[in-house]
Amino acid sequence: DGGITQSPKYLFRKEGQNVTLSCEQNLNHDAMYWYRQDPGQGLRLIYYSQIVNDFQKGDIAEGYSVSREKKESFPLTVTSAQKNPTAFYLCASSISGGPSTEAFFGQGTRLTVV
Amino acid sequence: SQQGEEDPQALSIQEGENATMNCSYKTSINNLQWYRQNSGRGLVHLILIRSNEREKHSGRLRVTLDTSKKSSSLLITASRAADTASYFCATDRTTGNQFYFGTGTSLTVIP
Repeated sequence: DGGITQSPKYLFRKEGQNVTLSCEQNLNHDAMYWYRQDPGQGLRLIYYSQIVNDFQKGDIAEGYSVSREKKESFPLTVTSAQKNPTAFYLCASSISGGPSTEAFFGQGTRLTVV
Repeated sequence: SQQGEEDPQALSIQEGENATMNCSYKTSINNLQWYRQNSGRGLVHLILIRSNEREKHSGRLRVTLDTSKKSSSLLITASRAADTASYFCATDRTTGNQFYFGTGTSLTVIP
């Protein structure tokens, strides 16, 4: 089955720890995105990548880091510098870097800081 | 800052009724998309309308776009309980390669 897979579905982190969220796609898409969703709010862009080995900051990149070493993979690290990391994180991909085509989303990772 | 704002924030209707939700945006766009999100899940693409289109249909969905007013509407006809979800509009900008999502409309369809 083609699609985009996020893991894990639920993640608990102690304060001060870094944690990495996985996002893998087998759709052969060039562009990948990470969004954060908080209750009552829309999706806010953290980072996006239009091509392997290249990525750009979104609106709320502080406290997050990404890598794009393979076309299929775009992991997100939530660092200890992120002051309020508890949120629902969504990864998406699209055929090209331009938003003229639809985005395909994973099922999300819910991160809770304990 | 977010590009789109949906209205209303929440909508509750009876099964069989039509549901209309609106999206307003701030800057010029190339296209506008609507997505659906079931609770705790990822978003699913519903429909894309380009800036040179005024209306588009897909099954029970009808989308309109008024670029002069910088607004779009999504109409779901003959709603079903399974339509219960949050609906988001997403826009691009004429410059840049990002999707900008609104805050969403939470739709509840009562059986």
